[in-house]
Amino acid sequence: EDQVTQSPEALRLQEGESSSLNCSYTVSGLRGLFWYRQDPGKGPEFLFTLYSAGEEKEKERLKATLTKKESFLHITAPKPEDSATYLCAVHGSGSARQLTFGSGTQLTVLP
Amino acid sequence: DADVTQTPRNRITKTGKRIMLECSQTKGHDRMYWYRQDPGLGLRLIYYSFDVKDINKGEISDGYSVSRQAQAKFSLSLESAIPNQTALYFCATSDQRGSETQYFGPGTRLLVL
Repeated sequence: EDQVTQSPEALRLQEGESSSLNCSYTVSGLRGLFWYRQDPGKGPEFLFTLYSAGEEKEKERLKATLTKKESFLHITAPKPEDSATYLCAVHGSGSARQLTFGSGTQLTVLP
Repeated sequence: DADVTQTPRNRITKTGKRIMLECSQTKGHDRMYWYRQDPGLGLRLIYYSFDVKDINKGEISDGYSVSRQAQAKFSLSLESAIPNQTALYFCATSDQRGSETQYFGPGTRLLVL
């Protein structure tokens, strides 16, 4: 059974204070690891897909990295508008096109 | 216009009532999903459909049913609503020709009294 654990559950940063969110996973045959951003009362918004260890992807102040056991979402010089819940999900080879989601990290960036 | 739409956006109902949540998409994707989200539990899969003739149960399908009326439409029904079905419900789609990247609708907030 695929499992995803995200840490910390909540993170408060000052504007400009860089940090990282962690997504640890266990999966039989990783076919993809996904990061989403979710604003309160809205649906998750797709950010990145990573497929193999060593892969990195960037978008504005966000960079996602992947190892064989975990993924990090690095946030560089965050702004208040980066405040949201960030969700991680995995797709394993035994899960027939289903994603397993973590419970998310709620990020608050203070001005 | 949004690629994935859900109606209604908010719904209050009473225990024992039957309700239907609807999802439509203009992305041209063949695969559609229904999730529920509860605080601290993340997104959990209720049902998914790979095409009009294919319906599959997810991890928490008890108490729910679905109908895939067309490639672009996928509805979720609660036959007899109960208070612990109070949650946020999301529809999502993905393209069989690509990765399993799923694109989500705006959600329906359901309160069962």
